[in-house]
Amino acid sequence: EAEVAQSPRYKITEKSQAVAFWCDPISGHATLYWYRQILGQGPELLVQFQDESVVDDSQLPKDRFSAERLKGVDSTLKIQPAELGDSAMYLCASSRRQGSSYEQYFGPGTRLTVT
Amino acid sequence: QQQVKQSPQSLIVQKGGISIINCAYENTAFDYFPWYQQFPGKGPALLIAIRPDVSEKKEGRFTISFNKSAKQFSLHIMDSQPGDSATYFCAASTTGRRALTFGSGTRLQVQP
Repeated sequence: EAEVAQSPRYKITEKSQAVAFWCDPISGHATLYWYRQILGQGPELLVQFQDESVVDDSQLPKDRFSAERLKGVDSTLKIQPAELGDSAMYLCASSRRQGSSYEQYFGPGTRLTVT
Repeated sequence: QQQVKQSPQSLIVQKGGISIINCAYENTAFDYFPWYQQFPGKGPALLIAIRPDVSEKKEGRFTISFNKSAKQFSLHIMDSQPGDSATYFCAASTTGRRALTFGSGTRLQVQP
């Protein structure tokens, strides 16, 4: 069964350092999402890609967060500089091209701790 | 407008009992309503989903009931098992904006 891959699974970083997360969606899935999940809450969208284009980054804190999906396949989410409030689970999800299926499949997530 | 409100926050059910989790939404443009199951340290896993053109969908022990006029939907877990102990999230999305808006989650504990 195809799965969304994410790495690293855990990351501990100091405040003001840079950190990056990687996601490889299910093969053939054109839409890729990054969500942030604070402990005890539901995931919230950070950015959505359709192929290599950003279609929604309205909730992405652009002063410190950036995301790219250069070849329309895997994606990287970066935080620079990290702040204490960024401690959370960062989840990647993917779905087929819009118009065919709504189903989103999530990866295992990256647990970020900022000290 | 984008909120999805979920209740209860936590739920304790005896093995073999029925677990019921409720969600309500405001945005009438929502047209896809999935439920996700999440175990500690794992990503959410799609459990079951419904579109507003039907009032009920059943898959095994899991049933979604949907009330379009009340803007409410619920998850029923029949014959609840200890292995069902997890956090459950309802969510919603629109055709135009496929990103999911999640509820706050329900922590379910099924006691043996």
